[in-house]
This record gives sequence, C-alpha cells and structure tokens, in this order.
Amino acid sequence: QLQLQESGPGLVKPSETLSLTCIVSGGSISGYYWSWIRQPPGKRLEWVGYIYYSRNTDYNPSPSGSTNYNPSLESRVTISVDMSKNQVSLKVRFVTAADTAVYYCAKLGTKHSANYLADDWGQGTLVTVSS
Amino acid sequence: EIVMTQSPATLSVSPGERATLSCRASQSVSSNLAWYQHKPGQAPRLLIYGASTRATGFPARFSGSGSGTEFTLTISSLQSEDFAIYYCQQYDNWPRTFGQGTKVEIK
Repeated sequence: QLQLQESGPGLVKPSETLSLTCIVSGGSISGYYWSWIRQPPGKRLEWVGYIYYSRNTDYNPSPSGSTNYNPSLESRVTISVDMSKNQVSLKVRFVTAADTAVYYCAKLGTKHSANYLADDWGQGTLVTVSS
Repeated sequence: EIVMTQSPATLSVSPGERATLSCRASQSVSSNLAWYQHKPGQAPRLLIYGASTRATGFPARFSGSGSGTEFTLTISSLQSEDFAIYYCQQYDNWPRTFGQGTKVEIK
C-alpha cells in the first residue's frame, strides 16, 4: 500500500526558503505525477504544482522531469524528485506569512479525460512562517 | 483562474438523512470536476471524479451529478463515518482550483 509522508521544518523565517520532502513508500515514484497542495489556515486548498518523472528517459522532456507550477507561485517554487531516495521535494523561496499553510504531497494516479487526479495523499505538515 | 463556490458552508444533518452539497464554477469546466472528502487529522480522499464517477472504496450512497458550471454531491443516507468536510475541485484549467468546502456535521 502506497504511503506518503511529508517532512520538514515546522517553522521558517520570513525571506528564507521553505524546504519539504515527501517520502514515498510502498511503490516507486517513477512513472507518476506528484503534486504539492497547500491549505493556509482558514482558507481553501491551493495547488502549488506538480512533477512527472520516469526512469525511462524517453518519457522525460528534460533530465529533471516535467513540472507545472501555479502561476501565482511559479517565480518562487521548485519541485524536484530524488529517485535514489524515492522522494519528492518542494522549495519555496522568499517566504512570507502568506506561505503559512498545511502542505500536502499527493500522487496523481486516477486518470480522467487526459487529466490525472490526486488519489493518494499524505497527512500534511504545517509550516509556519514567522520570525 | 476559475473560482469554485460551494454551498452551504455548513450542513447539519441527522444520521440516515440525505445530504445535498452544491458546487458552482465561475466558467464551464465541462465534467472535469472532482469531490474530495477530508476528515480532521487525515489525508484527503478522492471521492468523485468526472463529476459522477465514484472513486475506489466509496459506497453507492455517494453520488455526483452536473456538468458545465453546476454540480451536486448527494449522500443518500448519512452514516457516522460520512461527517467530514467536502471539497469540489475543477481540473479543466490550470491552475486547478478548489471550493472553500462544505462541512457536514451531526445535527
């Protein structure tokens, strides 16, 4: 059974970089889309972005995989994978209080009309941005 | 970006009763609409996709309908394990966007 566990610092200072890792167990990250979704306190869920990576380099448009980011965050966000550790990572640079949120990683595994839906989620980790 | 609006914010229902949740999109999303169930302290679960297809593990008392801009999630006879927050999400356009959620609570 696939399990996803987010990990990282619970407190980050303003203007610094938020770094989170999604540890995936029970299956390989290769050949799937992986996403980060966040929920600020009292607000709705928000897509941060997603990445696709495959061991088969024929399916990767670039060596680091294929990514898509929310335009509102694109200039500050990087999602990457570490195949050796079976992990997906998120970095958000120059954070402010507005980046305080519960961050979820999720696998996009259910397909509908050329889209993939988040069907396996981690439990989420709260990151607070404060000095 | 597409704005998703859910109503009501909170729905108080007695066990065994029917619950009807609404979701409206600011522009057409065709049938590219999903519902998620979220219980406190747990991971969200994909409940419905394609507006009406139940995801694995959910019983037939959950049903979804609608297309374009108006969608409905119906729980025909609420069980104790169904009390949760339900979110709709469109995936017709990027970025995908969620509604603000409907909390289904015990009356």
